[in-house]
Amino acid sequence: GAVVSQHPSWVICKSGTSVKIECRSLDFQATTMFWYRQFPKQSLMLMATSNEGSKATYEQGVEKDKFLINHASLTLSTLTVTSAHPEDSSFYICSARGALGTDTQYFGPGTRLTVL
Amino acid sequence: GESVGLHLPTLSVQEGDNSIINCAYSNSASDYFIWYKQESGKGPQFIIDIRSNMDKRQGQRVTVLLNKTVKHLSLQIAATQPGDSAVYFCAENTRQAGTALIFGKGTTLSVSS
Repeated sequence: GAVVSQHPSWVICKSGTSVKIECRSLDFQATTMFWYRQFPKQSLMLMATSNEGSKATYEQGVEKDKFLINHASLTLSTLTVTSAHPEDSSFYICSARGALGTDTQYFGPGTRLTVL
Repeated sequence: GESVGLHLPTLSVQEGDNSIINCAYSNSASDYFIWYKQESGKGPQFIIDIRSNMDKRQGQRVTVLLNKTVKHLSLQIAATQPGDSAVYFCAENTRQAGTALIFGKGTTLSVSS
């Protein structure tokens, strides 16, 4: 089946630093990747949609200059949280949709970010 | 905006019982629905999906029912096991290219032995 990986699985950083999270589709080409954020005991909230080779589309209320998304290849998307603050601490999950037109999104295992 | 929601935040069942988790959606344009299972600290795991041209689909121990008239989706788990304990989310999508899944609020299923 389709496998999506994320790296790192968890990260702790100091306030004001930047953190990069990678999302990779391991056995398929992902024309579209999505980034979600999940706070404890809450649902997944879509942050942005990323298409390979083009700029990401951000959801309302998500700062594009703070959450930088790069989808440089059909198997890799990165999310960089710039100048992180404690309120950015969350579980970040990516998902990928294949190039075959299927609707199914395959999710990564998530990255736990803790900003001190 | 449009949203997908669940009726109950928690559901507790005994091992061996059948579980029914419900979901109401509001976007009449949605034509694809998925149920995901999420265990603590992990990403969502695909369980089963259904398209709007169907009203029932069965998998291994799971059945999804879709009632488009009342915009209602349900997940039935037969012979629930302790390993089924998790948070279950329904998600919806439309055929519009590039659109993301929108998730409901989640139901926590607790299975006791």
